[in-house]
Amino acid sequence: EPEVTQTPSHQVTQMGQEVILRCVPISNHLYFYWYRQILGQKVEFLVSFYNNEISEKSEIFDDQFSVERPDGSNFTLKIRSTKLEDSAMYFCASSVDRGLGQPQHFGDGTRLSIL
Amino acid sequence: AQKITQTQPGMFVQEKEAVTLDCTYDTSDPSYGLFWYKQPSSGEMIFLIYQGSYDQQNATEGRYSLNFQKARKSANLVISASQLGDSAMYFCAMIPQRGSSGSARQLTFGSGTQLTVLP
Repeated sequence: EPEVTQTPSHQVTQMGQEVILRCVPISNHLYFYWYRQILGQKVEFLVSFYNNEISEKSEIFDDQFSVERPDGSNFTLKIRSTKLEDSAMYFCASSVDRGLGQPQHFGDGTRLSIL
Repeated sequence: AQKITQTQPGMFVQEKEAVTLDCTYDTSDPSYGLFWYKQPSSGEMIFLIYQGSYDQQNATEGRYSLNFQKARKSANLVISASQLGDSAMYFCAMIPQRGSSGSARQLTFGSGTQLTVLP
């Protein structure tokens, strides 16, 4: 069964450094998402992406964050200057379309640790 | 704005027994979708089951079923014949109908219920 792939599984970065989290969505999916889950807390929406542009973003997704689909398969989340509070599990998800009944399929996540 | 409430931070169930995980929601949207996801200790998020707000029947997917009571705004997950591998965190989530043409929809998650299946 096709799946969303995320790399790396764990990223350790010094505060203030840039980090890029990578995702390969399911190949026929058109909608892409990033969510984060701070340890012990609920999953929070960051951003959604369709047709090579951001569709929606949350208050969390400030100027330090950006997303890109650099080629036909990858979808990346960049954090420009990481802060301690960016430590979290970051999930990429994709869905085939935006129909209500279409589930978002999640990757296994990247655990980001900021030192 | 949508809100999902899961009032059971932790639940225990004996292997082979059924268990119900509670989920209530609040939304002003007339149409919406409700989802349940499973998160094992390894961290991945696994889609389990979907219920549309206008679906006439409760959703079922193998050992998972959804007890959907629209008037009460509840969408409880029922797991029948629990297995040890069902031990995980379970999240209820929803998506509204509204959204401009072409815009994606964001999932709003509850705080989750940690289910432990006892041998």
